[in-house]
Amino acid sequence: KAGVTQTPRYLIKTRGQQVTLSCSPISGHRSVSWYQQTPGQGLQFLFEYFSETQRNKGNFPGRFSGRQFSNSRSEMNVSTLELGDSALYLCASRQETTNEKLFFGSGTQLSVL
Amino acid sequence: QKEVEQNSGPLSVPEGAIASLNCTYSDRVSQSFFWYRQYSGKSPELIMSIYSNGDKEDGRFTAQLNKASQYVSLLIRDSQPSDSATYLCAVRGYGQNFVFGPGTRLSVLP
Repeated sequence: KAGVTQTPRYLIKTRGQQVTLSCSPISGHRSVSWYQQTPGQGLQFLFEYFSETQRNKGNFPGRFSGRQFSNSRSEMNVSTLELGDSALYLCASRQETTNEKLFFGSGTQLSVL
Repeated sequence: QKEVEQNSGPLSVPEGAIASLNCTYSDRVSQSFFWYRQYSGKSPELIMSIYSNGDKEDGRFTAQLNKASQYVSLLIRDSQPSDSATYLCAVRGYGQNFVFGPGTRLSVLP
């Protein structure tokens, strides 16, 4: 079974631009969640989607948004990029309903210049 | 704000010793507790989960949970250089998102 796939692996953007990150979960996993990882803050929860519905949202500004498609693939969008958005963005999928094991993708390393 | 705290380390132990990693959490209604291992440049992977007070053993790993003290720990027996990584504690309440601690960097010295 293929693992969680995130694209692209690396991104370089400038302040004010917007970016879209993609995540394909493990086949059969309907829950997809997104995390921001930085050396200072660790893993911070962004949001979780299940069956195309946002179920939980973390404490991030509205510039961060996401969506999930009917095939469970998910995208995350960040608009009006700021320098502080530079981070590793990790996507994780899991089976519902009783399985709480998160499977992480390799992440997208975003650098904002 | 739900918080999970860990000593950032680095925690250095000699090969063959017991490594003890600790984690405290603030939300009393947390029900599920996890330890993830993250090698440098890699993504986190689950190594242990625990749901009830007491100890849970899996090979060289033992997770310990004390809900009254809001404390969870991970013991690694017979530590190996390959155990050198960052260990992330994660906590989850029913139907809620996972909250991760900042991680403890473990270094096992040959």
